Amino acid sequence: EAGVAQSPRYKIIEKRQSVAFWCNPISGHATLYWYQQILGQGPKLLIQFQNNGVVDDSQLPKDRFSAERLKGVDSTLKIQPAKLEDSAVYLCASSYTNGGLTDTQYFGPGTRLTVL
Amino acid sequence: TQLLEQSPQFLSIQEGENLTVYCNSSSVFSSLQWYRQEPGEGPVLLVTVVTGGEVKKLKRLTFQFGDARKDSSLHITAAQPGDTGLYLCAGTVYNAGNMLTFGGGTRLMVKP
Repeated sequence: EAGVAQSPRYKIIEKRQSVAFWCNPISGHATLYWYQQILGQGPKLLIQFQNNGVVDDSQLPKDRFSAERLKGVDSTLKIQPAKLEDSAVYLCASSYTNGGLTDTQYFGPGTRLTVL
Repeated sequence: TQLLEQSPQFLSIQEGENLTVYCNSSSVFSSLQWYRQEPGEGPVLLVTVVTGGEVKKLKRLTFQFGDARKDSSLHITAAQPGDTGLYLCAGTVYNAGNMLTFGGGTRLMVKP
């Protein structure tokens, strides 16, 4: 079974530029998550989708971050304009269902963003 | 402010030693998970505990969920260099679906 795919793996941009990340979840997984992991910290949930609807985006900085999952499969996360503090690894994860205590989230390898 | 505090943040030990990593919170969690993350990769689930007082073993790893469901520990027996990595605990809260709150992680290095 193919895992969660993310691209690009690395991105270097200058502050105030825009950037987009792409995620392809495991086939059949209804729920998709985007996390931000700053160096030395644990991942922080940015947004959770159930199919193509948003379940939670309370920690997404909506003035500069946006995410969509138009057909309930792939997802893109965009930052516009980027700030220095956005430098982090952006992880995508997917799970089969939402709400189960033992529902496993499978993580992709992440996109490492460096903002100069 | 992180709801889950992990300690220690860093741990460097020799091969063959035992170690324990702690995950503490003032909040009650409906379940708690432990992940291991290697450089350049996403976290990989090791175990999920859901019952207060529950103990689970995975080869040389022993996981315990506190009776009050506010804390957990991970014990590794006879650590090996292959155990090196970032260990993360993450909890789910009642009525919050499958949303995970992660601790800050414990970076473990096991020297041969």
